[in-house]
Amino acid sequence: DVKVTQSSRYLVKRTGEKVFLECVQDMDHENMFWYRQDPGLGLRLIYFSYDVKMKEKGDIPEGYSVSREKKERFSLILESASTNQTSMYLCATNSMAYEQYFGPGTRLTVT
Amino acid sequence: EDQVTQSPEALRLQEGESSSLNCSYTVSGLRGLFWYRQDPGKGPEFLFTLYSAGEEKEKERLKATLTKKESFLHITAPKPEDSATYLCAVRGPGANSKLTFGKGITLSVRP
Repeated sequence: DVKVTQSSRYLVKRTGEKVFLECVQDMDHENMFWYRQDPGLGLRLIYFSYDVKMKEKGDIPEGYSVSREKKERFSLILESASTNQTSMYLCATNSMAYEQYFGPGTRLTVT
Repeated sequence: EDQVTQSPEALRLQEGESSSLNCSYTVSGLRGLFWYRQDPGKGPEFLFTLYSAGEEKEKERLKATLTKKESFLHITAPKPEDSATYLCAVRGPGANSKLTFGKGITLSVRP
């Protein structure tokens, strides 16, 4: 079974703080993804990575950056957290058949 | 641009009352249609992949079907434990492995 783990289930940060969300997969998959999920808006892709040190912007990259130094680890960085970044953040990886496998999610609250 | 529309937004069924969830899509050259189940506060869980019109996949009380314009997730004699949000996603042509997700259908099954 594919296992995707995320560093925190719940996180509370203050406006202006730098926030790191980490994701680790154990299947040696090439591709990894970061989404945010909000009520009424569904899943929206922030960034994805198709190899170590390679990244590509998704649909809503503004205010975020990513880092992939090792194949199994993909980090999402909020340089200066804002209240409109309060959301559920989901990491995923995909198999050779392109089905995506998700982590449990991090519910981030920015106050 | 790929588009996915799911309907209805929410569905309430009595236990044992069969029904179908709809996923309409627009994509130039479908490379896969994916169904996921998501429980509250958790990451989506992969259910099925369909690739071509006429294809069907089954798992317990769920059956997914595909036409050239839409997919249906049929739920036969649902139980309360089938209550969840069901997400549909498509993959279009191109080298990357991005999926476009619908906003989901929230299913509630009353005992």
